[in-house]
Amino acid sequence: QKEVEQDPGPLSVPEGAIVSLNCTYSNSAFQYFMWYRQYSRKGPELLMYTYSSGNKEDGRFTAQVDKSSKYISLFIRDSQPSDSATYLCAMSAGANNLFFGTGTRLTVIP
Amino acid sequence: EAQVTQNPRYLITVTGKKLTVTCSQNMNHEYMSWYRQDPGLGLRQIYYSMNVEVTDKGDVPEGYKVSRKEKRNFPLILESPSPNQTSLYFCASSSISRSGGANEQFFGPGTRLTVL
Repeated sequence: QKEVEQDPGPLSVPEGAIVSLNCTYSNSAFQYFMWYRQYSRKGPELLMYTYSSGNKEDGRFTAQVDKSSKYISLFIRDSQPSDSATYLCAMSAGANNLFFGTGTRLTVIP
Repeated sequence: EAQVTQNPRYLITVTGKKLTVTCSQNMNHEYMSWYRQDPGLGLRQIYYSMNVEVTDKGDVPEGYKVSRKEKRNFPLILESPSPNQTSLYFCASSSISRSGGANEQFFGPGTRLTVL
């Protein structure tokens, strides 16, 4: 079993839709949870960072962590064509080494 | 501008011909890492380094070597490349968290390697 599971998609939504991206994990030691966004032909860039359980909001983006269910989510409100990218979840037990999901490819259709 | 650079960006080579992919960062980061990204498998860590002369294996180190002689540089060496090393490679760097957290990793633009 992989440490981090993520539905690879692809996911296509119309502009303005609410997008939900999810990851599950098996290692209960993970405490730090991140979402990276990767545009085509680019390296991943950090989008959201949360520690332990709870919610974090940044503009149109909301990250949720449910440690009891070992489940994390990223919500994108009012999605835009510029949000079209691959979204990677990543997590850590507290060291610099990250464990990544396989990424979900999102397309927002104008 | 703070950045991680990789060279070359694209490389086509043949089985067995030694190659080096360079990685350099200008953020004075202690931590550097190499990943490969393959469809359906995501990002997998090859090697990482916590500081100069300190390197360690990641999840998929077979067939790769690294060195960390200077803080800013972390080259990836394929002594005898094979077709199963055809992949997209990313170098990343971050500062070390003194409080035990996981600091943001900054990624390079990627090197697409094809081994024939």
